[in-house]
Amino acid sequence: KNEVEQSPQNLTAQEGEFITINCSYSVGISALHWLQQHPGGGIVSLFMLSSGKKKHGRLIATINIQEKHSSLHITASHPRDSAVYICAATLDQGNLIFGKGTKLSVKP
Amino acid sequence: DAGVIQSPRHEVTEMGQEVTLRCKPISGHNSLFWYRQTMMRGLELLIYFNNNVPIDDSGMPEDRFSAKMPNASFSTLKIQPSEPRDSAVYFCASTPIGKNLNTEAFFGQGTRLTVV
Repeated sequence: KNEVEQSPQNLTAQEGEFITINCSYSVGISALHWLQQHPGGGIVSLFMLSSGKKKHGRLIATINIQEKHSSLHITASHPRDSAVYICAATLDQGNLIFGKGTKLSVKP
Repeated sequence: DAGVIQSPRHEVTEMGQEVTLRCKPISGHNSLFWYRQTMMRGLELLIYFNNNVPIDDSGMPEDRFSAKMPNASFSTLKIQPSEPRDSAVYFCASTPIGKNLNTEAFFGQGTRLTVV
């Protein structure tokens, strides 16, 4: 079992829909990251958080430390949001591990 | 700043050949990371440097892999000899302070390596 689990693995949505991607982890962490990888491969860091909630434009990331769970939300989704979203955790020991990613496809 | 710059973007090489991947971090960033991404295993941390010093290379798969950071503006990841199972996309990332990703990380565009 992976220490960082993402769901769903694949997600198809219609333009305008509210999207949620989930990330659960089974070990102690010092920080959690959401990354975006577009077709073509470039990776962009969206959020780094260790508690609470962060918002950037239409993207919202939340984390519940007690439940060891984080969510990435996209409001008013758009086809340009189509990408792979990756959850990554910095463990208390200092190691970094990644989820397998969620492939999002937003249809017009 | 142009961001993290990796070269080459694509590399196709024959099994047994030496491959060298290059990375130029963002100026002023003092931590640099090498990652490998495959369909089977996703993203994996290979090694990271702090102030040009290798801190954790436990992710390096085997002795065929080596990484250096001779100065703050340049790092290499070398595979010698290369094997088909090394085919993957290799990413370099840099951060301004600290170890691992306790700060925002900036990724290069990656090098897609194919070993035939």
